[in-house]
Amino acid sequence: KAGVTQTPRYLIKTRGQQVTLSCSPISGHRSVSWYQQTPGQGLQFLFEYFSETQRNKGNFPGRFSGRQFSNSRSEMNVSTLELGDSALYLCASFSGGSGANVLTFGAGSRLTVL
Amino acid sequence: GQQVMQIPQYQHVQEGEDFTTYCNSSTTLSNIQWYKQRPGGHPVFLIQLVKSGEVKKQKRLTFQFGEAKKNSSLHITATQTTDVGTYFCAVLHSGAGSYQLTFGKGTKLSVIP
Repeated sequence: KAGVTQTPRYLIKTRGQQVTLSCSPISGHRSVSWYQQTPGQGLQFLFEYFSETQRNKGNFPGRFSGRQFSNSRSEMNVSTLELGDSALYLCASFSGGSGANVLTFGAGSRLTVL
Repeated sequence: GQQVMQIPQYQHVQEGEDFTTYCNSSTTLSNIQWYKQRPGGHPVFLIQLVKSGEVKKQKRLTFQFGEAKKNSSLHITATQTTDVGTYFCAVLHSGAGSYQLTFGKGTKLSVIP
């Protein structure tokens, strides 16, 4: 089955602009979470959605927001971009069950803020 | 949440040498997961450990979870150039139905051919 699809893969924005990133999880997966990866801070949890509801949120300012649609696709939005928002944004699709609880990551959206 | 410290930050080895990365916590961990991220890639799940003293092997990779469940290690025997990448340990937190990973900072492995 298809993996986690993230679009766009690369984008360049300027300070003050906003950006929307999209994530389509593995078919049948209803949990989608987002992570930010930077050289300095590493991988940090942004938020998690399940059945269109945000279940958990990391320690990020309100400029970072997200949503999930009825087909489980998710978007995250960053408003009023700052230079420090330059990062790889990763979406993960979750599969629970009797086996290991595995998060499958997408290829990421690499955002550069100038 | 449960925090994990990972060492070393970088490791350069000659091809054929062994490699080990360590993950440590001051508190008891409910589980530990290991991920590999190739250069320019994304984290890929390798394994999950949940039991005290658990040891799992995947070909040349050996994963251990400490008896006290406060540390874990990943050992690669006879490294190959295909092993290049960053290896992360992570703890999966689950609460109120939500799932969240807390990652270590990772160990970046370079293999000199």
